[in-house]
Amino acid sequence: DSGVTQTPKHLITATGQRVTLRCSPRSGDLSVYWYQQSLDQGLQFLIQYYNGEERAKGNILERFSAQQFPDLHSELNLSSLELGDSALYFCASSAQGVGNQPQHFGDGTRLSIL
Amino acid sequence: ELKVEQNPLFLSMQEGKNYTIYCNYSTTSDRLYWYRQDPGKSLESLFVLLSNGAVKQEGRLMASLDTKARLSTLHITAAVHDLSATYFCAVDPGGGADGLTFGKGTHLIIQP
Repeated sequence: DSGVTQTPKHLITATGQRVTLRCSPRSGDLSVYWYQQSLDQGLQFLIQYYNGEERAKGNILERFSAQQFPDLHSELNLSSLELGDSALYFCASSAQGVGNQPQHFGDGTRLSIL
Repeated sequence: ELKVEQNPLFLSMQEGKNYTIYCNYSTTSDRLYWYRQDPGKSLESLFVLLSNGAVKQEGRLMASLDTKARLSTLHITAAVHDLSATYFCAVDPGGGADGLTFGKGTHLIIQP
């Protein structure tokens, strides 16, 4: 158990809809990262938050947005969903500034677009 | 743009054999990570390599980093079936806790 909690585990929805994925980082970790894993694109970094502020952006679409709340949990919002958004979405957390620590991954949310 | 290439992408080997997975990356970085993923599961951290010449070992797995060659290796000694999984290397381009760039992964099958 990595200590990173993601909900829901599975999500099935239709094209054009909007969903919210939730992540609670490990206790004490200030940084939260979102990744997308798909068969064709592999594992891609989407966005990072540190202590409530956006820190880095990767290959995140404009239809996607995220935020980190004062209690450090994070949400990833995906809107105007397309079939190609079907993927496994991982959240990871780390202790920023402690460079010898890896990012710890949650179990992921599997998103299926019908 | 940072590129991370792993090879091989698929490896089938017999128990008891040794093999090496290679990870090349395209820009300067001194932070490289190895993860393991079982089918349908999360990513489990295996090794964190933070400097040139770093070598880490855990059981039958040993990882090394050569920052000058921009190369990391994951060596498997006397493979056992339980090591069957997909192995990813990932590079931190920012020198700290930034988004990782992952290789495509090496799908390893170890047969009795």
